[in-house]
Amino acid sequence: DSGVTQTPKHLITATGQRVTLRCSPRSGDLSVYWYQQSLDQGLQFLIQYYNGEERAKGNILERFSAQQFPDLHSELNLSSLELGDSALYFCASSVSGQGNYGYTFGSGTRLTVV
Amino acid sequence: DQQVKQNSPSLSVQEGRISILNCDYTNSMFDYFLWYKKYPAEGPTFLISISSIKDKNEDGRFTVFLNKSAKHLSLHIVPSQPGDSAVYFCAALNTGTASKLTFGTGTRLQVTL
Repeated sequence: DSGVTQTPKHLITATGQRVTLRCSPRSGDLSVYWYQQSLDQGLQFLIQYYNGEERAKGNILERFSAQQFPDLHSELNLSSLELGDSALYFCASSVSGQGNYGYTFGSGTRLTVV
Repeated sequence: DQQVKQNSPSLSVQEGRISILNCDYTNSMFDYFLWYKKYPAEGPTFLISISSIKDKNEDGRFTVFLNKSAKHLSLHIVPSQPGDSAVYFCAALNTGTASKLTFGTGTRLQVTL
């Protein structure tokens, strides 16, 4: 157990629908990152939150949004889903700004859009 | 624009031999590099890292080498064990901006008996 909890582990939904992926960071970690891994692709950075505020944005589609709540958990909302959104979505957390640059990843949510 | 590249999608090595995984980067602002290991149905786990002020970092069977002039790093695993079979991701960041990690596409290592 890495300490980063992602729910649900698997999600199957139809095109056009909306889903919410949830992430609880490791205790003490203020930063949360969302990554997408499509088939045979690397980990594509989507968005970062630090202590409730958006810190950095990557190639995140306008149909996707995220937020980090006061208790530091984060949610990634995916709407108007398309077949191409099927992927593994990983959340990671870190203690930013303290010389520790590694992330701790959750086990991911596998999203299948049918 | 793929700033971190792992040009070998897969690698097969015999147990006991050396595994060498390669990674190239294009962004000269990257000054910290990490390797992650990923098993199926699990998230990536941190393996080893290196700062740009060093050219080598060793941790047990794992050694990372950094060649800044060539913008190239490599991960050596000696001796390779069947449990090392996994996907290995190279990642990089600019510590000055505390930017996010940029990952390569991964290399699948298979250690055979």
